[in-house]
Amino acid sequence: AQSVTQLGSHVSVSEGALVLLRCNYSSSVPPYLFWYVQYPNQGLQLLLKYTTGATLVKGINGFEAEFKKSETSFHLTKPSAHMSDAAEYFCAVSDPGGYQKVTFGTGTKLQVIP
Amino acid sequence: EPEVTQTPSHQVTQMGQEVILRCVPISNHLYFYWYRQILGQKVEFLVSFYNNEISEKSEIFDDQFSVERPDGSNFTLKIRSTKLEDSAMYFCASSDSGTGWEKLFFGSGTQLSVL
Repeated sequence: AQSVTQLGSHVSVSEGALVLLRCNYSSSVPPYLFWYVQYPNQGLQLLLKYTTGATLVKGINGFEAEFKKSETSFHLTKPSAHMSDAAEYFCAVSDPGGYQKVTFGTGTKLQVIP
Repeated sequence: EPEVTQTPSHQVTQMGQEVILRCVPISNHLYFYWYRQILGQKVEFLVSFYNNEISEKSEIFDDQFSVERPDGSNFTLKIRSTKLEDSAMYFCASSDSGTGWEKLFFGSGTQLSVL
């Protein structure tokens, strides 16, 4: 069975500082990995995904994530935090063979301090 | 960008009552899903639906749950006899492909409170 673990349920950064949200996965097969963002009172929105190919993937709003197989990690980063980045972020994994189910982590709430 | 819409945004019900959560997926999508998130816990897969039948369901999706696409636009989740532990945010999602890596479009959720 696949799973993802997000380290830190709450992360606070200053505006302009580096954002680093951690995600480690467990999968018996090469996984597909995702980051979703949820703004208050809104649905889940896909930030970026890794399927195959380049291990550094770029997403919307300046976010990127790097797939590191040796570390079973898929951490999300952004060089400079903006106030509008305050939201909850979910890492997720999908088994390419079990195509219809996405397994989510518990989420990390990002607070951006002015 | 096209949206998945869910109604109502909040639903309060008494234990043992039936509830129906409604979703309007994106119009050209063929695959539909329900997920839920109990407060402080993970977003969990409940069920996927394609071609008017359930294609996969989780162990959470027991006989108390059912899904239906009653017409060409709505997709509903029915809980027959609600329990306290059914209190959660329920998300509907749709996609134009059945492969998990395709982009899932999520609605903003229905917060269900069972008293």
